[in-house]
Amino acid sequence: GDSVTQTEGLVTLTEGLPVMLNCTYQTIYSNPFLFWYVQHLNESPRLLLKSFTDNKRTEHQGFHATLHKSSSSFHLQKSSAQLSDSALYYCALSDPSGSWQLIFGSGTQLTVMP
Amino acid sequence: GALVYQYPRRTICKSGTSMRMECQAVGFQATSVAWYRQSPQKTFELIALSTVNSAIKYEQNFTQEKFPISHPNLSFSSMTVLNAYLEDRGLYLCGARDSTGSYEQYFGPGTRLTVL
Repeated sequence: GDSVTQTEGLVTLTEGLPVMLNCTYQTIYSNPFLFWYVQHLNESPRLLLKSFTDNKRTEHQGFHATLHKSSSSFHLQKSSAQLSDSALYYCALSDPSGSWQLIFGSGTQLTVMP
Repeated sequence: GALVYQYPRRTICKSGTSMRMECQAVGFQATSVAWYRQSPQKTFELIALSTVNSAIKYEQNFTQEKFPISHPNLSFSSMTVLNAYLEDRGLYLCGARDSTGSYEQYFGPGTRLTVL
């Protein structure tokens, strides 16, 4: 079945350093939608980025990601981390042509230190 | 804009009792609603997918007998956790998709269930 893998459970870095959170996926669908959701403490997840176009960079609030179907990846990046970026980040997959529910990865806790 | 409300935001129930949570879509027509559960230290699990005028599809490990869902119209859905036990605690999220075919799910703030 479909799956999303986030290899890092916990990422800790210093403010100002670049951020990269890994996301790879497996799916039988040829045109999946990939999403990044961010969840701050005691809040519900909020959509950060989404993409369904191969090799096209998508950006929002300083974060960016590019869907690479050749490597089944959708890594989240930011050039300079801020303290307010500390949160849980979930990568998710959806197949809009069929059952459209989201399949979530296990999440990556990003902690940005001063 | 599109908003999803969920209530109650937090609830506590005694082990073996039941509690009902509601999900309301505002600003769009929620043709389909997905209910998820985020258990402590875990990711989001899909409980069931509900589409108006269609049968509700439950995922493995979740049943209608345990999590009955009602989706009577394009703006409202409810789910009950029957006979709740400790393993049912967590954050229950409602994700709604509109009828225009947008590929984004709008999430509500969630209902956090604590079972004593």
